[in-house]
Formats: sequence, C-alpha cells, structure tokens
Amino acid sequence: QVRLKESGPRLVQPSQTLSVTCTVSGFSVTSYHVSWVRQPPGKGLEWVGAIWKGGSTDYNSALKSRLSISRDTSKNQVFLKMNSLQTDDTGTYYCAKHFGRLGARYFDYWGQGVMVTVSS
Amino acid sequence: DIQMTQSPASLSASLGETVTIECLASEDIYSNLAWYQQKPGKSPQLLIYDASSLQDGVPSRFSGSESGTQYSLEINSLQSEDAATYFCQQHHDYPWTFGGGTKLELK
Repeated sequence: QVRLKESGPRLVQPSQTLSVTCTVSGFSVTSYHVSWVRQPPGKGLEWVGAIWKGGSTDYNSALKSRLSISRDTSKNQVFLKMNSLQTDDTGTYYCAKHFGRLGARYFDYWGQGVMVTVSS
Repeated sequence: DIQMTQSPASLSASLGETVTIECLASEDIYSNLAWYQQKPGKSPQLLIYDASSLQDGVPSRFSGSESGTQYSLEINSLQSEDAATYFCQQHHDYPWTFGGGTKLELK
C-alpha cells in the first residue's frame, strides 16, 4: 500500500529555514520520482521541486535559490529545505509520488500535507 | 513559465447534470496535461493524465479532451461526491504549473 507522510514544524519564523521530511512506504524512492507541491491557504497548487529516482533534482526556478531537495534511501525518506522564509511561503506542503510510467511528471499518490505558517 | 488559465472559477450544478471545466494553456503543451480533484481538507487525487487517459479507479463519468491549447474535463451524471475543487496541471515544461482551480458545488 503506497503511503506518503510529511512531517515538520507547523510554525517557522520569517527569514528562518523550513525543513520537511516525507516518509514513504509501499514503494522505494529509488524506483519512483517524488515531488513537493505547496498550496497557500485557500489558493491553488504550486510545484516546488522534484527528486528523480536516480537522485538528481529539478526545482521551480522561482524558488530555486532557496531550495534543496534530498533523500535518504536507507530510510525511504525525501527532504525539503527552504531558506529565507517569508509570510507568503505559508501553506500546506505536500510530497507526491510520480505516476509509474517512465518519466511521468504528474502525481498519483499524495501525502496528507503539513501546514506551515511563517510568522513571528 | 506556461500559464494555465482555468475556467470557470466556480460553478453550481445539480445532481445528474453534466459539467465542463476548461484549461487554456499559454502555449502548446502537446497533451501533457493532468486533472486532479481536491476535496476540502484533503490532498489532490489524480483523475486524468495525458489529457484524456483515465486513472485507475476513477469513475468513467470523468473524461478529458483537448482542442489545440484548450483542455477540458467533463463530468457526466454528477454525483454528490463530485463536489470538490478541480485543478489542471501541465507537465510539458518546467516549471510544471497548475490552473487556478474550479470549485464545483452541488445544488
């Protein structure tokens, strides 16, 4: 059974760094790509970045300078780090598994998300 | 970035009706489009990929089509459980971008 679960702080101060962990089960992060997607409260979805099954990464150019996505294959975990947080980074952060077809860039399983508030 | 203009932003329909939601891409995305359904407080769920392929387990009353850079999601025979917000996503070019969403309300 495929599952993804995000964990991380609910409150982050402005200018600080956000660290979120995605723990997956039912598949290996070395077999499927994983992306991060975020959603401000009451608004739409924004693709943040992806880590491919081979370990390479791609980032949204609008966020690239502040982003790092990595993984621990022994723990089947994917990590998101975003620095210099501002209030408009507030939102729910989801990790999502890419569809199983080779090179697919859409998402068939999502975590429940973690709501992060950037505030002092 | 490729802009995905989704319309309408909201709509209200009755049980059993058919509704259509549209996404207009700012450039050709070569059928690289997915549709998701998101219910309040829940994560998005994949409905359609490659513009018209139905994800496993999704009811056949959902269908996708395209005409040029205009992509459509049609929902036939609306059921109460279809009340949700729907998003399109282009996955042709970086950064992958989503439409603004359509909130579907059942009367």
